Amino acid sequence: GENVEQHPSTLSVQEGDSAVIKCTYSDSASNYFPWYKQELGKRPQLIIDIRSNVGEKKDQRIAVTLNKTAKHFSLHITETQPEDSAVYFCAASGGANNLFFGTGTRLTVIP
Amino acid sequence: DAMVIQNPRYQVTQFGKPVTLSCSQTLNHNVMYWYQQKSSQAPKLLFHYYDKDFNNEADTPDNFQSRRPNTSFCFLDIRSPGLGDAAMYLCATSRDRTSGSLGDTQYFGPGTRLTVL
Repeated sequence: GENVEQHPSTLSVQEGDSAVIKCTYSDSASNYFPWYKQELGKRPQLIIDIRSNVGEKKDQRIAVTLNKTAKHFSLHITETQPEDSAVYFCAASGGANNLFFGTGTRLTVIP
Repeated sequence: DAMVIQNPRYQVTQFGKPVTLSCSQTLNHNVMYWYQQKSSQAPKLLFHYYDKDFNNEADTPDNFQSRRPNTSFCFLDIRSPGLGDAAMYLCATSRDRTSGSLGDTQYFGPGTRLTVL
């Protein structure tokens, strides 16, 4: 089955700086890579996703890059704000759309 | 305008006492998923329904069952809850179950936090 690794497990940045979270996956058949933000006690919320036919996608301050050859994808958040503080999960799926999640990154943005 | 609704939000049960968690959706999506999320861990898929077709994950304990009586509703039954089953249970939906299609996005409900005494 798919194995998704996520780094770092915790990340602290100053407000206004950029944050980068990296994930690797094992199954070359995976073709859908969403990122979820989860605040304490709340549901995971999709913030951006990328499919294997593109290498990069951007939505305002958030961007995701995908390198299928190396089997890794990354989340980039620019101009971080305190409300960006949360746990971020990457995930990968292929075929049957069963999401395999990374272990999560706790992002803290320091005002 | 809630799209994926879970009831109750908090559930307390006793060790060994059956419990049922409920999920409903207004998106008319074909696929409904149940995930278990323990504290500080990632969500773990238990099973999913594609329409009426039930798909169990290989490592989901037999103690967990599910029912989907119609498109809108899906239930998670825990037959004999143990202390290790205390967790957040998340329901999610997607239009399709084929990854890479535009209908593969999964939308999560708010979750039900289960406590086992």
